[in-house]
Amino acid sequence: QSVLTQPPSVSAAPGQKVTISCSGSSSNIGNNYVSWYQQLPGTAPKLLIYDNNKRPSGIPDRFSGSKSGTSATLGITGLQTGDEADYYCGTWDSSLSANWVFGGGTKLTVL
Amino acid sequence: EVQLVESGGGLVQPGGSLRLSCAASGFTFSSYEMNWVRQAPGKGLEWVSYISSSGSTIYYADSVKGRFTISRDNAKNSLYLQMNSLRAEDTAVYYCARDAVRSEAFDIWGQGTMVTVSS
Repeated sequence: QSVLTQPPSVSAAPGQKVTISCSGSSSNIGNNYVSWYQQLPGTAPKLLIYDNNKRPSGIPDRFSGSKSGTSATLGITGLQTGDEADYYCGTWDSSLSANWVFGGGTKLTVL
Repeated sequence: EVQLVESGGGLVQPGGSLRLSCAASGFTFSSYEMNWVRQAPGKGLEWVSYISSSGSTIYYADSVKGRFTISRDNAKNSLYLQMNSLRAEDTAVYYCARDAVRSEAFDIWGQGTMVTVSS
């Protein structure tokens, strides 16, 4: 059971928009920055969003992030078949001891 | 090119030990905080351990505390994970990941090295 809760799967058609939620608590998302990672099949994770809503160089603006209270959201517009991947949210958790926590991951299917 | 390359994975019996290495290149390794993250087959990401740029601050996930030891050699641009008392549930791909500067995120990841704990 992950500390951060994500839907196991989402799907949408090419060209459409999808959002992926990440729910936590005051000890993690509520008081820390959230980052998002994309993991294409058989590859290492890749940073998509950091500090809740910032994109690293080279990440297209089709990807966006937001945070409100103890939840965060990843948005992807203009879906492409190449976006099919697993997506993970992550943040620090300061509940008992210093720990970085990830969500359980969301499998995006582009129909 | 900024790069992290893990090595040292393999098959080990339960109760055994293994030492993973992560070779960094293309950036000033000594300026960055580093982490190990693992992924069991078919499962999600699990953070394992963190080490500050100087090595003075270290954190571990509860699941590995007392069994794993993270370390670094800034002169060799290398990160290490000493894994003792290995269990079947430690079977995973182990990634080293760099902390982004002035940000709480992992901006560079290695390709991973597979550790299999089985008799």
